[in-house]
Amino acid sequence: GAVVSQHPSWVICKSGTSVKIECRSLDFQATTMFWYRQFPKQSLMLMATSNEGSKATYEQGVEKDKFLINHASLTLSTLTVTSAHPEDSSFYICSVGPSGFYEQYFGPGTRLTVT
Amino acid sequence: AQKITQTQPGMFVQEKEAVTLDCTYDTSDQSYGLFWYKQPSSGEMIFLIYQGSYDEQNATEGRYSLNFQKARKSANLVISASQLGDSAMYFCAMREGPGTASKLTFGTGTRLQVTL
Repeated sequence: GAVVSQHPSWVICKSGTSVKIECRSLDFQATTMFWYRQFPKQSLMLMATSNEGSKATYEQGVEKDKFLINHASLTLSTLTVTSAHPEDSSFYICSVGPSGFYEQYFGPGTRLTVT
Repeated sequence: AQKITQTQPGMFVQEKEAVTLDCTYDTSDQSYGLFWYKQPSSGEMIFLIYQGSYDEQNATEGRYSLNFQKARKSANLVISASQLGDSAMYFCAMREGPGTASKLTFGTGTRLQVTL
């Protein structure tokens, strides 16, 4: 069964609005979760590392005020795209790397379309 | 410099044949992990195989094997007896440093098409 879930699986929003994407670790407690973005026909690029109980660590070039990450519990991290623009349209995927396991488990992804 | 390089944007293979997808990496860490993921058109990332930098034997998982050549910094994926369902994007990825709470860096991917 699924180890990591994401909600919603797809969302369409208008420019200027905010969208929240949830990532849940179903089988593991996750002090760290990762958020990736994938543009069409491109690779996954890490956006940020979500840390439970503390601030997220953003990769260079990712606007932390635009992509708000909250990791309030050991099983839930949320990514909020604020004031969305059409160029934010992408596939957003989260992952969990449980302690003691070498594998990283990915969520099914959320396809965001901003009109 | 690219940390993960996949030089084959696309590959074709006939059903039941074997295919090798290339991956080279660049790191100064002694401890690292190498992964291969399959991404079908649905978008989900499916874990295929893992190789740790200290693992002396090449990893194998069913029809998947990883040809790990540490000195050459290559970690090629070999798929044996290709099936139509193997058609997908394949990504090589690396985790640097010990432990699992480390980000993955992905290559640009190879699109594999299995033909009859």
